[in-house]
Amino acid sequence: DAGVIQSPRHEVTEMGQEVTLRCKPISGHDYLFWYRQTMMRGLELLIYFNNNVPIDDSGMPEDRFSAKMPNASFSTLKIQPSEPRDSAVYFCASNDPGTSGYNEQFFGPGTRLTVL
Amino acid sequence: RKEVEQDPGPFNVPEGATVAFNCTYSNSASQSFFWYRQDCRKEPKLLMSVYSSGNEDGRFTAQLNRASQYISLLIRDSKLSDSATYLCVVSETGNQFYFGTGTSLTVIP
Repeated sequence: DAGVIQSPRHEVTEMGQEVTLRCKPISGHDYLFWYRQTMMRGLELLIYFNNNVPIDDSGMPEDRFSAKMPNASFSTLKIQPSEPRDSAVYFCASNDPGTSGYNEQFFGPGTRLTVL
Repeated sequence: RKEVEQDPGPFNVPEGATVAFNCTYSNSASQSFFWYRQDCRKEPKLLMSVYSSGNEDGRFTAQLNRASQYISLLIRDSKLSDSATYLCVVSETGNQFYFGTGTSLTVIP
């Protein structure tokens, strides 16, 4: 398996623009997580899905952020409008604790977002 | 109060040294515990799970103290390749993880 795939790897945009981050989880994994990592706050969970259904979005910072998972192999995180304080590395992760009982999360390479 | 707290370091140690990291967690109902490793500008990867009885994987030993709500990681005979950030991770219920901010380790030749 190719692992968790994220795109783009780097994104530079201007304040006020819409940003869309994409993630393809590992095939067969039924949980998908979106995290944001900054030096000051570390790795923060934004939202996670189980079988394409959002389970907990309490970490989404505000209404400018939205996430969707239209099918088992694709998810998006959208920021509209973007602000400089959104600059961070955004990670997607997936796992499948049901079959193995072992809930290691597998992370994608991340999207490094810079909002000017 | 943060769910998981770690000393951010940095820890700078010579090759061959033994180094230990500690982490505390706030929820006594936490069920699963892990150490992840994150190299510079890379994604976090699982280093090892932490079991109640303690566990060892080569030069790495993880311990859990439920009474005091802390987790430790011991690295013996440090190698240059051990330089990374080590993240303490706690899972309470279900499949939601809480990550510490990480402890930075640099092993010096």
